[in-house]
Amino acid sequence: EAQVTQNPRYLITVTGKKLTVTCSQNMNHEYMSWYRQDPGLGLRQIYYSMNVEVTDKGDVPEGYKVSRKEKRNFPLILESPSPNQTSLYFCASSPSADRAQFFGPGTRLTVL
Amino acid sequence: ELKVEQNPLFLSMQEGKNYTIYCNYSTTSDRLYWYRQDPGKSLESLFVLLSNGAVKQEGRLMASLDTKARLSTLHITAAVHDLSATYFCAVDMRSNYQLIWGAGTKLIIKP
Repeated sequence: EAQVTQNPRYLITVTGKKLTVTCSQNMNHEYMSWYRQDPGLGLRQIYYSMNVEVTDKGDVPEGYKVSRKEKRNFPLILESPSPNQTSLYFCASSPSADRAQFFGPGTRLTVL
Repeated sequence: ELKVEQNPLFLSMQEGKNYTIYCNYSTTSDRLYWYRQDPGKSLESLFVLLSNGAVKQEGRLMASLDTKARLSTLHITAAVHDLSATYFCAVDMRSNYQLIWGAGTKLIIKP
């Protein structure tokens, strides 16, 4: 089944404890992206990647890192999480940047 | 400032009625996307609009793009309860595939 998977789906952590949210797609898509969703704000793009080893900042990259070492994986790293990073995070992929994106199920992160 | 504004943000309507959701954006772009999100769920692509005058239809939903007016519309015809969801538009305003999203329109369709 074609899909985008994210792990974990739910995470409660404490300020400053490094964490990684994994994202994997099995559709051989070139383009991948991370978003955060906060009530009333829609989605905001954190980072995106056009291909392996090619990443760029979105609107709200501060406090986040990404890497794209393989085409299928695009992990999101929070080196030192803070409470303002409490949010719902979505990973998405598409065959190219101007095509519809397939979204993962979301990761709900709470930073205490 | 790069902005995408959706109107209305909340819409409650009766089944069988027609309505339109508007998506205005602040600078030129010819790439606009519509997505749907059900409560507690992920997002699902509805339409990709890639040129001025683009019109796409799927069932009771029709989307259009007017790049000169910087406006896209999502029209709902003869609404049914299953269309209750939050609808988002997203715009590539920098032509670099960095999307700016509207705040979403929460649509409730009452039987």
